[in-house]
Amino acid sequence: GIQVEQSPPDLILQEGANSTLRCNFSDSVNNLQWFHQNPWGQLINLFYIPSGTKQNGRLSATTVATERYSLLYISSSQTTDSGVYFCAVRTGANSKLTFGKGITLSVRP
Amino acid sequence: DVKVTQSSRYLVKRTGEKVFLECVQDMDHENMFWYRQDPGLGLRLIYFSYDVKMKEKGDIPEGYSVSREKKERFSLILESASTNQTSMYLCASSSGGVETQYFGPGTRLLVL
Repeated sequence: GIQVEQSPPDLILQEGANSTLRCNFSDSVNNLQWFHQNPWGQLINLFYIPSGTKQNGRLSATTVATERYSLLYISSSQTTDSGVYFCAVRTGANSKLTFGKGITLSVRP
Repeated sequence: DVKVTQSSRYLVKRTGEKVFLECVQDMDHENMFWYRQDPGLGLRLIYFSYDVKMKEKGDIPEGYSVSREKKERFSLILESASTNQTSMYLCASSSGGVETQYFGPGTRLLVL
């Protein structure tokens, strides 16, 4: 099956810093989503982005499908950005997503 | 807003017990999913369902079964709980036409 690798596995930032999170995948995809899991376990969908670029406030994401990677940018990080960021992809016609192992982000005040 | 609810946030069970985890969504979504999350392994799909009374195995279905008698409700069943099923269980739903998955708050299950 498809492989999803996220890097770096852990990231520590000072509040106000910018960061880039990367997701590489091993096959063509027709669905790619970024999620944030807060310290209480709730997963929130950040972006549905199988290709192209999207922005939502301080967050933006770019997927280059032909090169099989996606990037999540966090600007002016805040302590509330802490948590685990997951990339998930889908190949084929069904709705099954394959998740990466996640990137743990800690933003310090 | 989409709302996905799970019956318990925390659950403690004994080895061998039958365990039911319930998930309800209020947005008339066709697709529903059960995942488990373990440290260092990310989310792994247990079962999913495209429609009422329909189910498909995910990546790790062994030791689990599911039931979807109504469109809004998807139940995960541990027939005989074992300690290696101690985990965080997450339910999600999505519409057939829109790909975004919406997650419930999760159930932390401890099997003693």
